[in-house]
Amino acid sequence: GAGVSQSPSNKVTEKGKDVELRCDPISGHTALYWYRQSLGQGLEFLIYFQGNSAPDKSGLPSDRFSAERTGGSVSTLTIQRTQQEDSAVYLCASSFTSGGRYEQYFGPGTRLTVT
Amino acid sequence: TQLLEQSPQFLSIQEGENLTVYCNSSSVFSSLQWYRQEPGEGPVLLVTVVTGGEVKKLKRLTFQFGDARKDSSLHITAAQPGDTGLYLCAGVKLNKFYFGSGTKLNVKP
Repeated sequence: GAGVSQSPSNKVTEKGKDVELRCDPISGHTALYWYRQSLGQGLEFLIYFQGNSAPDKSGLPSDRFSAERTGGSVSTLTIQRTQQEDSAVYLCASSFTSGGRYEQYFGPGTRLTVT
Repeated sequence: TQLLEQSPQFLSIQEGENLTVYCNSSSVFSSLQWYRQEPGEGPVLLVTVVTGGEVKKLKRLTFQFGDARKDSSLHITAAQPGDTGLYLCAGVKLNKFYFGSGTKLNVKP
């Protein structure tokens, strides 16, 4: 079956430019998460959607970061005026709950390099 | 501040050896998950443990959830080069996932 897909897989951008990262979750998964991962490190939570609303935006590093989700499906993470410290892999995951268990499935990530 | 502490950070062992990775917190979680991630890919869910004291076995991997649901361990028996990767634990609390910093495992043939 189709898993979580993300695009682009790689993005190189110049400092100061805006970028948009896209996530297509697994069909039927109501929850969607964005994380950031620096090289070989753990995951840093950015934002979480339940349906189209984002009850928890606490992880967004600054007001240059924003995200939206439409139709309870596709989500985009936008970074404005990119900085070199924004360079990382951005991972998206979608989730369902079953009997109290939250099962999270990840996409392959978008590797962002800000030059 | 990391809510979940993983140890060790790095582990390099020979094929056939056993190892244990620990995931500790002062917080209680409704469930805890273990993931494995290979370079260039997203993490892949290995197991979810829900009940305090629960033990789950997945072939050569044994996962344990602490009685108080604050910590967990992953034990690998007779490690193989195919086990190489980044192992991540994640605690679930109120729909949110808190990840540990990961353990990089390298199994040498």
